[in-house]
Amino acid sequence: EPEVTQTPSHQVTQMGQEVILRCVPISNHLYFYWYRQILGQKVEFLVSFYNNEISEKSEIFDDQFSVERPDGSNFTLKIRSTKLEDSAMYFCASRRESTDTQYFGPGTRLTVL
Amino acid sequence: AQSVAQPEDQVNVAEGNPLTVKCTYSVSGNPYLFWYVQYPNRGLQFLLKYITGDNLVKGSYGFEAEFNKSQTSFHLKKPSALVSDSALYFCAVRDLGGFKTIFGAGTRLFVKA
Repeated sequence: EPEVTQTPSHQVTQMGQEVILRCVPISNHLYFYWYRQILGQKVEFLVSFYNNEISEKSEIFDDQFSVERPDGSNFTLKIRSTKLEDSAMYFCASRRESTDTQYFGPGTRLTVL
Repeated sequence: AQSVAQPEDQVNVAEGNPLTVKCTYSVSGNPYLFWYVQYPNRGLQFLLKYITGDNLVKGSYGFEAEFNKSQTSFHLKKPSALVSDSALYFCAVRDLGGFKTIFGAGTRLFVKA
């Protein structure tokens, strides 16, 4: 069964550094999402992406964040200058056009020191 | 504003007993409701969803959920719990016209042998 994959599984970075989190959505899916989960807290929506543009974003998704689909398979989340409070688990999700069910990747744990 | 509430941080149940994990929601218009499960160090796995139709929805691994419009609830149930059901359960809602999904805080289910 196809799955959403994410790399790396764990990323450690210094405050102020740029990070890029990578996701490979399921191949026939057209909607893509990023969520984050700070340790012990709820899963929070960051951004949705469809037809090569952002369709919706949350208040968390400020100018430090950007998303890109650089080729036909990858979907990336970039944080330009990381802050300590960006430490969290970041989940990518995707879905087909004909359904509302989102399929989640295993997550990338980002630790900002 | 859309919101989801899971009033219990933790639910404890003995193996073989029925289990209920509670969820209430607040959304404008008709909701799309979901349950996801998260095992340790894993992403979110889709369990079931309610879009329209029969108020009792059956999902994966023997789980079901009952949509109650008057009480704005969508409780997750299983007639006979297994130790392997122990995990973190998230209720989520998506407004029909929107892209983002709002998650509850999660309920940790412990099933004792």
